[in-house]
This record gives sequence, C-alpha cells and structure tokens, in this order.
Amino acid sequence: DTEVTQTPKHLVMGMTNKKSLKCEQHMGHRAMYWYKQKAKKPPELMFVYSYEKLSINESVPSRFSPECPNSSLLNLHLHALQPEDSALYLCASSQDLQGGRNEQYFGPGTRLTVT
Amino acid sequence: AQSVTQLDSHVSVSEGTPVLLRCNYSSSYSPSLFWYVQHPNKGLQLLLKYTSAATLVKGINGFEAEFKKSETSFHLTKPSAHMSDAAEYFCVVSSYNFNKFYFGSGTKLNVKP
Repeated sequence: DTEVTQTPKHLVMGMTNKKSLKCEQHMGHRAMYWYKQKAKKPPELMFVYSYEKLSINESVPSRFSPECPNSSLLNLHLHALQPEDSALYLCASSQDLQGGRNEQYFGPGTRLTVT
Repeated sequence: AQSVTQLDSHVSVSEGTPVLLRCNYSSSYSPSLFWYVQHPNKGLQLLLKYTSAATLVKGINGFEAEFKKSETSFHLTKPSAHMSDAAEYFCVVSSYNFNKFYFGSGTKLNVKP
C-alpha cells in the first residue's frame, strides 16, 4: 500500500480562523513533507520531518505551524492566513532521507481557500 | 547546486502516437531523478525513478526514461499515447543529501483523439 491520505479535501477559512490540515501514512515511512502548490506551478517545499523531528523549514511564515505527533501523522496548523495562502497543500512521505529510499509518495492534497 | 529544466511547457500529441517529454538536469554529483504525473486537482504520482542502477528505467503505465550522463538528460517517453495520459508531468532531481526535491516547471501533455 503506497497511500498517503489527507483531510480535509477542501477547506475555506477566514483570515482570523484557526484550522488544521491532517496527513497520514501507514507505510512505515520515517520522513514526511509539506508542500504548497499554486495553480500551474510546481510544488514548493515548506517543511521536512525526519524521524518525527523537524529537519527543514523553508523560511515559512509562522502562521503555518507543523506538527508530527508520531511517525504516521503530520499536521499543519493554520492561523491568521492571508488570501495569497490559498493553494493546494500536499503532504508526502518517503522511507527516509537516504539515497535510494527517498522517493516521495504524495497525498491527494487539501484545496485551501482563504477569504 | 541542483536544478532541472523541462524544455517544453506544453506538448500535444495524437492518441496512439509516441510521447517525448524532455528534461535536462544540473548536478555536481550522481543524481537521483524522478518523473511524477499530476492529473487535474490531484496529488502527484510517481512514474519512475533513476538511482544509479540501469540507465533505462521502466515505469508505470508504459512510460520509460533514459538517463544520459553525457547529455545531462532524463527524457520521458511512451510508445503510444492514451487519452488518460493527459496531465502535468514533473521532472525532479533530489538534493545531494536526499532531503529535498528540486522540481522542474512542468510539462502539460495534451492528447488529441
């Protein structure tokens, strides 16, 4: 099974709301990722977790707060977002961060609209 | 530094004809290279990967890619296009320490009946 699941599929939130995106995988992968994808653009890396520790933060604004409560779950907490944060948010996982084992498996994404 | 250039932003083929999506990479080390496909409003699906084994890599759905070090290319091909192949395709190179992916700008494949 190479499935990464993401909930919700769609989310509409106001600029003062607090919401969370959830990502789950049961492949035993130890690296997990958050990406942001704007229309007609490639995904942009936001965060990388390795063995439940934050490994990379690509200078993402603090209104995005990641959390990895265990090796299967990855959350992205959202607060005080701006309309330009509207995008498709993709979660991915890989076996780990070693060569030959780092191909990423992506979830279907959460389509976020900030009003 | 690692980077990927997808040479065509749009490719249009007729159903049943060959597909060629071009990708050139830049890397100062032996790279890991991938092709992903994204259908509209969906996540990315791994088509195939190259990780310094055989230079001709076979993937899912009849796709394959050939790693050519002398040309720094990793072009994606398929002998016969199907309508369901219409999608966005991304060529990706992994960073030297494998913790990041560098995406090309994408090629949109259109398949005409």
